Amino acid sequence: NAGVMQNPRHLVRRRGQEARLRCSPMKGHSHVYWYRQLPEEGLKFMVYLQKENIIDESGMPKERFSAEFPKEGPSILRIQQVVRGDSAAYFCASSLETRDRGEQYFGPGTRLTVT
Amino acid sequence: AQSVTQLDSHVSVSEGTPVLLRCNYSSSYSPSLFWYVQHPNKGLQLLLKYTSAATLVKGINGFEAEFKKSETSFHLTKPSAHMSDAAEYFCVVTNTGGFKTIFGAGTRLFVKA
Repeated sequence: NAGVMQNPRHLVRRRGQEARLRCSPMKGHSHVYWYRQLPEEGLKFMVYLQKENIIDESGMPKERFSAEFPKEGPSILRIQQVVRGDSAAYFCASSLETRDRGEQYFGPGTRLTVT
Repeated sequence: AQSVTQLDSHVSVSEGTPVLLRCNYSSSYSPSLFWYVQHPNKGLQLLLKYTSAATLVKGINGFEAEFKKSETSFHLTKPSAHMSDAAEYFCVVTNTGGFKTIFGAGTRLFVKA
C-alpha cells in the first residue's frame, strides 16, 4: 500500500508565477489536509478537504491560495502570483477517519522556492 | 480554544540515556493527542496517538507517552536514546467535533555518541 504521494518534490517558481502542488492520498483515504512549514518553524494547518468538499479552510491565506480535492484524481494546492514569502515546505496528509480520530499519514512534502 | 506548547525547543542527550520531550496542551473539548517525528528533509511519521483509551500509550521505536489530564500534559519518553532518534518531534492536538489540528512548534532532539 503506497503511502501519501506528493509531486513535485521540489518546485522553483519566479515571483508572479503560479505553483501547483499535487497530493495523492493513501488508498482508501478520503480526508486530505495541507500544511505549510516555514524554515525553523512547526507546521501550520492550511486546509482540510474531503472528496469534492472543503471542510475547513481557516488556515488558508485569503488571497492567491486555493485547494481542491476532486472526485477523481489528486488533491491540488494552487498558489497564484507567488511571492518570496511563499517559499516553504508544503506537506499533505491523509486519514481514513475524520481528523479528530484518525491519525494522519504525511507525504514527503513539496519544497517550493520562489526566486 | 486549543493550543499546544512544547516546552523545549532543543533537547540534547547521550546515546543510551533516557529521553523526555515535554508537551502541554489546552483544549475545551476532549482532546486527541499525537506525537510525530520528522527526520531532515522527510515527511512526518506518526509515533503514537492518544484517543481517550489507555492513558499510557506505546508507540513505535520504543517511545511512549502518558496522558495526564490533571496536568494537561502528554510528555514523550524513551528509556534509552539511539543515534537514529535524532530528529524533530511534534506534539499535536485535535479534538472531538472536528476542529482544526494544532501542531506544537517542535522539539529538536540531539543524540551524542
